[in-house]
Amino acid sequence: AQTVTQSQPEMSVQEAETVTLSCTYDTSESDYYLFWYKQPPSRQMILVIRQEAYKQQNATENRFSVNFQKAAKSFSLKISDSQLGDAAMYFCASTSGTYKYIFGTGTRLKVLA
Amino acid sequence: DTEVTQTPKHLVMGMTNKKSLKCEQHMGHRAMYWYKQKAKKPPELMFVYSYEKLSINESVPSRFSPECPNSSLLNLHLHALQPEDSALYLCASSQVQGGLAQDNEQFFGPGTRLTVL
Repeated sequence: AQTVTQSQPEMSVQEAETVTLSCTYDTSESDYYLFWYKQPPSRQMILVIRQEAYKQQNATENRFSVNFQKAAKSFSLKISDSQLGDAAMYFCASTSGTYKYIFGTGTRLKVLA
Repeated sequence: DTEVTQTPKHLVMGMTNKKSLKCEQHMGHRAMYWYKQKAKKPPELMFVYSYEKLSINESVPSRFSPECPNSSLLNLHLHALQPEDSALYLCASSQVQGGLAQDNEQFFGPGTRLTVL
């Protein structure tokens, strides 16, 4: 069965500092995509960053970047220059088939002023 | 317009009531999804519609009945729910290209918070 594991239920980071959220996955598919989604309290889920598995280059989006290690099936998210607005639940997800996402259990990120 | 809207925002219903949740998007997406999310948990997929046809039903109890009247609208009809069905119900949509939706971002709505008494 395909799985996505986020081993850090909660993380804290000081404002302006850097934090890394971990994600490992297991898939039997040869072609798949990986995502990090952010869900702020009482607000809707939005995409933070996406990685295509066949691309070796790590994806970046402004202050957000990933460390994609395909052989190790690892997909961590680095947030640089953390801001108060980054406080949220972060979900790692892997595609499964045509439509499905397999979500991890989430990491709650607290940003300390 | 890159928004998925959901109504109502909150819904309280008794176990004998019939109610409906509504979801709408105008991004031209041809795949639409219903998820159920319990507090502090990831979303759980319930249904997927692709080109207005039901593609996936994740063995959801029949007291939940989805409907996709057109490419922009998705409904979830609720009947005889149980208290354990109380949750945040999320709608999402995505493009379908070349018959595949997997490489496309799912856009999520804000959800309907459902309480069953």
